[in-house]
Amino acid sequence: EVQLLESGGGLIQPGESLRLSCAASGFTFSSYAMSWVRQAPGKGLEWVSSITGSGDGTYHIDSVKGRFSISRDNSKNTLYLQVNSLTAEDTAVYYCAKSYTQATYYFDYWGQGTLVTVSS
Amino acid sequence: EIVMTQSPATLSVSPGERATLSCRASQSVSSELAWYQQKPGQGPRLLIYRASTRATGIPARFSGSGSGTEFTLTIGSLQSEDFAVYYCQQYNNWPRTFGQGTKVEIK
Repeated sequence: EVQLLESGGGLIQPGESLRLSCAASGFTFSSYAMSWVRQAPGKGLEWVSSITGSGDGTYHIDSVKGRFSISRDNSKNTLYLQVNSLTAEDTAVYYCAKSYTQATYYFDYWGQGTLVTVSS
Repeated sequence: EIVMTQSPATLSVSPGERATLSCRASQSVSSELAWYQQKPGQGPRLLIYRASTRATGIPARFSGSGSGTEFTLTIGSLQSEDFAVYYCQQYNNWPRTFGQGTKVEIK
């Protein structure tokens, strides 16, 4: 059974940093691209970042370029999102999502999410 | 950026009736369109990919159609568990983008 378990969220002040993690199990982690998708309170879904299975390719939405960095450790079956210089607009539930295949970026499994709240 | 526009924002339907949801792309995404269902407090669930292919385990009452810029998700004979928010997503271009969602509520 595929499982994705996010962690690392919390209440953080503007300008600070966090590292979100997603522990994956139940599939061959390195064979699939992975992504982060966020959802602000009461709002819709917003794709944030994706990474290829090998980790040699990354993609980010423009609004987080230079502030967020996606990475993975295939030996630990874990996906990461380093989030820096946070603003109130980054407040959201951050979901980890598995791509359906190596090269397609739609998502067949999602975690339950980790809430990041940016507030002073 | 490709903008995905869903309509209506809210759809009120009685159990057993059919629901038709629309998704329009600001430019062609070919057939690279997925649909998701999301219930409160849960991560989304993949329903449809490649515009019309049902994901594993998705009931046959869910069907997708369309290509290019116009897409439809049809839920035949709504069951109680189908009342939720539905999102479309294009994966033809970067950035990947979602529609704003359609809430299907009980009439």
